[in-house]
Amino acid sequence: GAVVSQHPSWVICKSGTSVKIECRSLDFQATTMFWYRQFPKQSLMLMATSNEGSKATYEQGVEKDKFLINHASLTLSTLTVTSAHPEDSSFYICRLAGVDNEQFFGPGTRLTVL
Amino acid sequence: GENVEQHPSTLSVQEGDSAVIKCTYSDSASNYFPWYKQELGKRPQLIIDIRSNVGEKKDQRIAVTLNKTAKHFSLHITETQPEDSAVYFCAARINRDDKIIFGKGTRLHILP
Repeated sequence: GAVVSQHPSWVICKSGTSVKIECRSLDFQATTMFWYRQFPKQSLMLMATSNEGSKATYEQGVEKDKFLINHASLTLSTLTVTSAHPEDSSFYICRLAGVDNEQFFGPGTRLTVL
Repeated sequence: GENVEQHPSTLSVQEGDSAVIKCTYSDSASNYFPWYKQELGKRPQLIIDIRSNVGEKKDQRIAVTLNKTAKHFSLHITETQPEDSAVYFCAARINRDDKIIFGKGTRLHILP
């Protein structure tokens, strides 16, 4: 399978700050990238879908101005949580999809907002 | 949009017995149904999947069945072992937008 990394793997920040999470593929070109978040003991909830060079499409209830997604290339997508608050503390996971329906998850980033 | 329901939320079975997890989906356009195993703090790991043109698929101790008419699909784990203890998620994907929507998960405990 593809090698997918997320950086950072964990981050602790103060309330009101912004946090950028990178999802990077080392050996796979993703036509589409998806961002999920997972609260403790809950399921993965799809936040948004992004295609390279296009604006992201957000799921209902997800604030696009708060969760900024940049899909700069076929191997890199970033999620920026702006003005983070304690309720944004969660596990954020990216998923990459290819033209032949391959799919790969990133290892996840645990965000804790104090 | 797609909605995936999963039952039970927790399941305890004796080691060596079988475990069954059931899911339903709402969108008839869904055509791919993966099952994931997730350990604490880790990414979901694909354990088996089934496409809508197949009714059943088996891989060693794991099998999945799909009833398209009823929009039901199930995971069966036989001869359960302690290392099977984890959270399992069913999911459904609609081909047109490639979104994968997850069920709420089943916490499986294998009892010694």
